Amino acid sequence: QKEVEQDPGPLSVPEGAIVSLNCTYSNSAFQYFMWYRQYSRKGPELLMYTYSSGNKEDGRFTAQVDKSSKYISLFIRDSQPSDSATYLCAMFSQRGTSYGKLTFGQGTILTVHP
Amino acid sequence: DAEITQSPRHKITETGRQVTLACHQTWNHNNMFWYRQDLGHGLRLIHYSYGVHDTNKGEVSDGYSVSRSNTEDLPLTLESAASSQTSVYFCASSRDRGKYEQYFGPGTRLTVT
Repeated sequence: QKEVEQDPGPLSVPEGAIVSLNCTYSNSAFQYFMWYRQYSRKGPELLMYTYSSGNKEDGRFTAQVDKSSKYISLFIRDSQPSDSATYLCAMFSQRGTSYGKLTFGQGTILTVHP
Repeated sequence: DAEITQSPRHKITETGRQVTLACHQTWNHNNMFWYRQDLGHGLRLIHYSYGVHDTNKGEVSDGYSVSRSNTEDLPLTLESAASSQTSVYFCASSRDRGKYEQYFGPGTRLTVT
């Protein structure tokens, strides 16, 4: 079983929809929880990060972390065609065998159609 | 501006050939990483380095090698290319081991025929 599991999608939604992307994980040592966005034929770029449990909002994007359930989410409000990309969750620990490395989910391909 | 570059961007090679993919960063970061990306698998770590002359194996290191002779470069070598190594390869860097943010290059699309 993978340390990080991500709903594979693909996900296709109409413009303006609310999008929910999710990951679960098994390693309780993870402390930082990130979402990377990757446009077609480009490298991933950090979109948002959250340290420990809680919510973080940045414009139309909200990241949620529930460490008790080992579950993280990314919500996109009022989705736009420009949000069409692959979204990868990633996790990081400053201790243990995972120290210094990112562990990624499988990625979800999102298409927002006009 | 600081950046991370990869070359070549596209490569077609034959089974059994040795191939080297280049990665160069001007961030002056200590850490460098090589990943491969395949549909359904996300990004999988091949090799990584926490500094000059330091190299470590990731989860999918068989058939690959790296060496780090300076801060800026971490070339990835496929010793004897196999069709299973057809993939998109990404290089990344981060400032040091305690930093979670990694900066990715544009990727190299490798096809082994």
